[in-house]
Amino acid sequence: DIQMTQSPSSLSASVGDRVTITCRASQSISNYLNWYQQIPGKAPKILIYAASSLQSGVPSRFSGSGSGTDFTLAISSLQPEDVATYYCQQSYSIPRTFGQGTKVEIK
Amino acid sequence: QVTLRESGPALVRPTQTLTLTCTFSGFSLSTSGMCVSWVRQPPGKALEWLARIDWDDDKYYSTSLKTRLTISKDTSKNQVVLTMTNMDPVDTATYYCARDFWSGYYTYFDSWGQGTLVTVSS
Repeated sequence: DIQMTQSPSSLSASVGDRVTITCRASQSISNYLNWYQQIPGKAPKILIYAASSLQSGVPSRFSGSGSGTDFTLAISSLQPEDVATYYCQQSYSIPRTFGQGTKVEIK
Repeated sequence: QVTLRESGPALVRPTQTLTLTCTFSGFSLSTSGMCVSWVRQPPGKALEWLARIDWDDDKYYSTSLKTRLTISKDTSKNQVVLTMTNMDPVDTATYYCARDFWSGYYTYFDSWGQGTLVTVSS
């Protein structure tokens, strides 16, 4: 199975800050990498697929980059509604695997 | 509009078998390329993919849980059923079903149910 490792596990930033979350795969997954946002008490929501493609309806302050084993999710200007846990997930092979999550809070 | 809804028991005794049903609308599992997965999340922990069933009845399972899981579909009822045998308290989690959406060569979970919390306790 491909292991997905996210860092940091949690972060606290001010409104308007740029925030970055990294995800590393245990082997090359090309760009078969998705990012989800999970607001407390809710189901996950797709933000980014294929490493850098923004899902329709997702604010443009979210962006993704990377290829191979190292990936980044960026929020260009953190908003109060972005408080959530973010997960990466590889779609390169089955079984699908998720990172352990990064909890984002407002300072 | 795609919707999915999970149903099943809220409480299961240890060693029992869990049966969960995902009822969906807005797409058909008889359409080429359509897939539905189950994902679970223990309280305060990360997401864990469990199983997937495809339009052509191909089935895929988590490596660590494959001996305990069975996934099936009833296309006429727009339902996917997951069974998990020999339940243990560590299986306490919110169980989600989600649609696997294909965009070219890429797939992602584009629609999710609201989840159902299953507690395993005697």
